[in-house]
Amino acid sequence: GAVVSQHPSRVICKSGTSVKIECRSLDFQATTMFWYRQFPKQSLMLMATSNEGSKATYEQGVEKDKFLINHASLTLSTLTVTSAHPEDSSFYICSARGTVWGYGYTFGSGTRLTVV
Amino acid sequence: RKEVEQDPGPFNVPEGATVAFNCTYSNSASQSFFWYRQDCRKEPKLLMSVYSSGNEDGRFTAQLNRASQYISLLIRDSKLSDSATYLCVVNGGGATNKLIFGTGTLLAVQP
Repeated sequence: GAVVSQHPSRVICKSGTSVKIECRSLDFQATTMFWYRQFPKQSLMLMATSNEGSKATYEQGVEKDKFLINHASLTLSTLTVTSAHPEDSSFYICSARGTVWGYGYTFGSGTRLTVV
Repeated sequence: RKEVEQDPGPFNVPEGATVAFNCTYSNSASQSFFWYRQDCRKEPKLLMSVYSSGNEDGRFTAQLNRASQYISLLIRDSKLSDSATYLCVVNGGGATNKLIFGTGTLLAVQP
């Protein structure tokens, strides 16, 4: 079945630094990648949608200059949290949708970011 | 109003019980509906899609009422391993086909 590999699974960084999260589709072409954020005891909130080769579309309230999304190939999308602050500490999850309907939406395993 | 609303629970039930979760959605143009399961600190996993005709997968039954914009999930003969958060998820439609997640309902099955 469709698999999305997300790395790192856990990262602790200092305030002010940047963190890059990668999501790779291993056996299918991910034409669309969705990036979500989940705070404790809350649901997944969509941050942005990216299509391969295009600029990402950000949801209202999400700073595009802070959360940089790159989807340069059909198998790789990255989210970079720039100048991270403690309030950015959260669970970040990607979800890929491929060219084949049967694959539906495939989630990465998530990245737990802690900014200290 | 939230796009997808669920009772957050928790639902504490004994093993073997039948439990039902409900969900309402606000966008009548929504096209696809799902129940996902999320274990603590893990990614959501698809439990089942929901069809207008209703569908069943073992102990799990999902129903969709488009007129009322209402989705349900029934779990029969609850197992300890069913303890998790159950997320009602709606495809928002449109060009992006983005998924909209409810806040989830926490189920705790007690021995």
